[in-house]
Amino acid sequence: KNEVEQSPQNLTAQEGEFITINCSYSVGISALHWLQQHPGGGIVSLFMLSSGKKKHGRLIATINIQEKHSSLHITASHPRDSAVYICAVQFYGGATNKLIFGTGTLLAVQP
Amino acid sequence: ETGVTQTPRHLVMGMTNKKSLKCEQHLGHNAMYWYKQSAKKPLELMFVYNFKEQTENNSVPSRFSPECPNSSHLFLHLHTLQPEDSALYLCASSQDAGSYEQYFGPGTRLTVT
Repeated sequence: KNEVEQSPQNLTAQEGEFITINCSYSVGISALHWLQQHPGGGIVSLFMLSSGKKKHGRLIATINIQEKHSSLHITASHPRDSAVYICAVQFYGGATNKLIFGTGTLLAVQP
Repeated sequence: ETGVTQTPRHLVMGMTNKKSLKCEQHLGHNAMYWYKQSAKKPLELMFVYNFKEQTENNSVPSRFSPECPNSSHLFLHLHTLQPEDSALYLCASSQDAGSYEQYFGPGTRLTVT
């Protein structure tokens, strides 16, 4: 069993829909990251959060530390949101903070 | 543009070749990372350098040899690779190896024939 589980693995939505991607983890963490990976391979960090909620434009990330769960929401989805969304949890491993990654959620937003 | 560049973007090499991947960051960061992303698998941390010192080697085979000559540059030297080493290799940097956001490069798509 992966230490970081994402759901769903694949998601197809119509333009304008509200989208939710979920992430559950089993280890104690210092922070959780949401990342976006486009088909070319490059990864962009969307959020880093350790409690509560963060918002950036149409993206909202929430985390519940007690339940070991985070969600990424996209409001008014657009085809340019099509990408792989990756959840990663950060924990302190000696001299370095380490990231453990989920397998990602492939999102396709159709016009 | 994230401020982290990687070259080459694509590389095809035979199992007996020696090649190097290069990563450069223009963000003034002190920590740099190598990650491997294989098909249908999560990203895996390979190495971490913090202030030019290696602080993490995630049980990576010795055919992968990292080098960090300064805080802005990171290399991954490759020799006698196996076909299963074919993957996307991503470099990242952060302010230091503490709890900071990481900035990723575009990756090098490596194919070992």
